[in-house]
Amino acid sequence: GENVEQHPSTLSVQEGDSAVIKCTYSDSASNYFPWYKQELGKRPQLIIDIRSNVGEKKDQRIAVTLNKTAKHFSLHITETQPEDSAVYFCAASIRDQAGTALIFGKGTTLSVSS
Amino acid sequence: EAGVAQSPRYKIIEKRQSVAFWCNPISGHATLYWYQQILGQGPKLLIQFQNNGVVDDSQLPKDRFSAERLKGVDSTLKIQPAKLEDSAVYLCASSQGPLGGTNEKLFFGSGTQLSVL
Repeated sequence: GENVEQHPSTLSVQEGDSAVIKCTYSDSASNYFPWYKQELGKRPQLIIDIRSNVGEKKDQRIAVTLNKTAKHFSLHITETQPEDSAVYFCAASIRDQAGTALIFGKGTTLSVSS
Repeated sequence: EAGVAQSPRYKIIEKRQSVAFWCNPISGHATLYWYQQILGQGPKLLIQFQNNGVVDDSQLPKDRFSAERLKGVDSTLKIQPAKLEDSAVYLCASSQGPLGGTNEKLFFGSGTQLSVL
């Protein structure tokens, strides 16, 4: 079946450093790639997304890049802060005759130390 | 704008018992999803509704799980009988339309944390 691989599974950085999380997907028809942030015991929150007609998107300290040829996309967080500490999930849309849904990676636990 | 509402927040049951979860999506959202999130993993799709119809339930263990969305708004997910491996957070999510649309986004509820003893 369709699959989304996410790396690394854990990432520790110092406050102010940059953090990069990478994902690859298997379905060449995927056209929507959101990133979610989940703090302990809370709901996944959409932080940024990108669609296949765009190569890069930026929102303040976070950015996402997409390489459709290689089927991978990445989340970049600059000037990290302790409040960025959370689990981050990437996802890719899959579409079959039944409908469209999101397939999620296994998550990256980001720890930002001050 | 109110978010996706779910209840209960926590549920503890013994194996072989039954349990039901309730979800109220964001007003006007036609597409509703149930996801299962096991500790340390990403959400896994169980079932997708478009209005009151099932679009995709290929990942739903139908021998014990059932879900309905009779009036195209609220939805319930039921497990009967529960197994130990069903311990997880059950997340409901909604979008205005199918995610292949130009500006569609998926919003999650806070989830129901189920512990099966």
